[in-house]
Amino acid sequence: ETGVTQSPTHLIKTRGQQVTLRCSSQSGHNTVSWYQQALGQGPQFIFQYYREEENGRGNFPPRFSGLQFPNYSSELNVNALELDDSALYLCASSLFLPSLGDEQFFGPGTRLTVL
Amino acid sequence: KQEVTQIPAALSVPEGENLVLNCSFTDSAIYNLQWFRQDPGKGLTSLLLIQSSQREQTSGRLNASLDKSSGRSTLYIAASQPGDSATYLCAASNYGQNFVFGPGTRLSVLP
Repeated sequence: ETGVTQSPTHLIKTRGQQVTLRCSSQSGHNTVSWYQQALGQGPQFIFQYYREEENGRGNFPPRFSGLQFPNYSSELNVNALELDDSALYLCASSLFLPSLGDEQFFGPGTRLTVL
Repeated sequence: KQEVTQIPAALSVPEGENLVLNCSFTDSAIYNLQWFRQDPGKGLTSLLLIQSSQREQTSGRLNASLDKSSGRSTLYIAASQPGDSATYLCAASNYGQNFVFGPGTRLSVLP
């Protein structure tokens, strides 16, 4: 069984640029959630995709957007990057919906640095 | 709105000691609570998931309890080892809501 994978591992961008982060969910899981974790803080929920539809969103502006594909892999896109977007971006997958009690499994994260 | 806090922010103990990490949440209508471990710069490893109908879960040297009425969960680590050094995070969710994470407790186990 393959766990959750994310790419790339590290990324450096400049202010105003756009970035795409990728996540492959654990085999058989059809829900993907994305989180932003600033240094020294707990992860903050960005949004969640269930069977290719957005199924919940945290307090993040519209320049944070996402997609989920038929194979349940997912992308997080961030436009017009700001310095405060520098963080570890985590992807988590679950069999069904975490909001209904399902356990989440996390990937290793993508470290984004915005200069 | 659910809010989660963790005390202490950091903890340093000698190897072999038993220890307790605390997690508090504001909304007692919690649906489940999950404990994670995070090594520096890495992703989260799931340790234990407690659903609202349960009072505790155990895995090896770890035991997590849930007391909804007091808004608390504790993670008990028995016979701590240097390999247990990491940040421990708890996350709570209410029914139909997504997980809210605490800021974590950074644990150092000294050999």
